[in-house]
Amino acid sequence: SQTIHQWPATLVQPVGSPLSLECTVEGTSNPNLYWYRQAAGRGLQLLFYSVGIGQISSEVPQNLSASRPQDRQFILSSKKLLLSDSGFYLCAWGGTTYEQYFGPGTRLTVT
Amino acid sequence: AQSVTQLGSHVSVSEGALVLLRCNYSSSVPPYLFWYVQYPNQGLQLLLKYTTGATLVKGINGFEAEFKKSETSFHLTKPSAHMSDAAEYFCAVSDRNTDKLIFGTGTRLQVFP
Repeated sequence: SQTIHQWPATLVQPVGSPLSLECTVEGTSNPNLYWYRQAAGRGLQLLFYSVGIGQISSEVPQNLSASRPQDRQFILSSKKLLLSDSGFYLCAWGGTTYEQYFGPGTRLTVT
Repeated sequence: AQSVTQLGSHVSVSEGALVLLRCNYSSSVPPYLFWYVQYPNQGLQLLLKYTTGATLVKGINGFEAEFKKSETSFHLTKPSAHMSDAAEYFCAVSDRNTDKLIFGTGTRLQVFP
């Protein structure tokens, strides 16, 4: 069966520091991968999605970037965090009938 | 462009009462429709999906939803609420041109004893 992992689970970082969040998927090959952010009390915002290694589509201009160095690995990064980057970050992989399966999430607090 | 509207950002029911969470969509192509549940500080879990075929779809935890094309709706129901159903629920429609999901803004369900 397929599983999706995210780490770390929680992170507290100062403004201006770098960020690296990792997502890995097991049990499937060449999945579509997605990064979302949930700000406090708000819905889901799609940040990036990838249909293959090295192929990244950005949904909104922002302080973040994504990379897919391996088939089942998706990384979200920032060189310098802003207060507004705080939120709950979710990674997901796409199933065969357009459904998406989500990881457990990373709670990021920028102080 | 596709969109999803969830009527009611908060819904409160008593334990044992009917749960009804509303979702309307707009889509220029036959949609694939989904309901997700999110418990505090967790990821989203797929409750059920409609792709083709039978319009009444049964999911996990006793939930079901009915696709009504004429009403462009996909409301989520459960006959008898449990305390454990308290969570945030998201409706979503597929954008089959881009493999993306369009999510509604969510409905927070509270269940009172």
